[in-house]
Amino acid sequence: DAKTTQPTSMDCAEGRAANLPCNHSTISGNEYVYWYRQIHSQGPQYIIHGLKNNETNEMASLIITEDRKSSTLILPHATLRDTAVYYCIVRVVGSGNTGKLIFGQGTTLQVKP
Amino acid sequence: IAGITQAPTSQILAAGRRMTLRCTQDMRHNAMYWYRQDLGLGLRLIHYSNTAGTTGKGEVPDGYSVSRANTDDFPLTLASAVPSQTSVYFCASSPTSYSYNEQFFGPGTRLTVL
Repeated sequence: DAKTTQPTSMDCAEGRAANLPCNHSTISGNEYVYWYRQIHSQGPQYIIHGLKNNETNEMASLIITEDRKSSTLILPHATLRDTAVYYCIVRVVGSGNTGKLIFGQGTTLQVKP
Repeated sequence: IAGITQAPTSQILAAGRRMTLRCTQDMRHNAMYWYRQDLGLGLRLIHYSNTAGTTGKGEVPDGYSVSRANTDDFPLTLASAVPSQTSVYFCASSPTSYSYNEQFFGPGTRLTVL
């Protein structure tokens, strides 16, 4: 699975959009980009995933560059409850794979009032 | 409420003792996983199971064993606990191991080995 690089920490004002970048320059064609987050003392929570098209759900939007070497997770209106560690993960999807997720260090997002 | 439950929530254990961490899911997911989380190291996969009756080793399997007798349960056993196994343990499940399905995580078990 490809390695990802994320900033260690970021701040965001409450009510503003939070844009979390992720670099995955060695991503291969059959690898998806996933985002999870972990609120303090809780288990990780799935946010969104994508292959090459931009994706949006009720939690966030995922923007993947055309060359797929980087992506950005967007929380459109951050709240204090969005304070968490955000993990960008790339994984191969397909028969024969374990489905394991390789978590890096993630980005600690602090939403401030 | 559907989801994953883990027990115990926390445990303090003497080194050398045997311990089983329990994980149960009621979503009829085929795939289940055990991760450990240590400060500064993120989550690392210990063992996984693609379907009932099968298991596999993850990144850090030494000192741990698992079984998957049925779809719902995936216990993790420490045969003889050591202090380096002090960690927070998370169980997770997903409908399958090979598709793009998300993984659902349990609330975790905080284990301290003295």
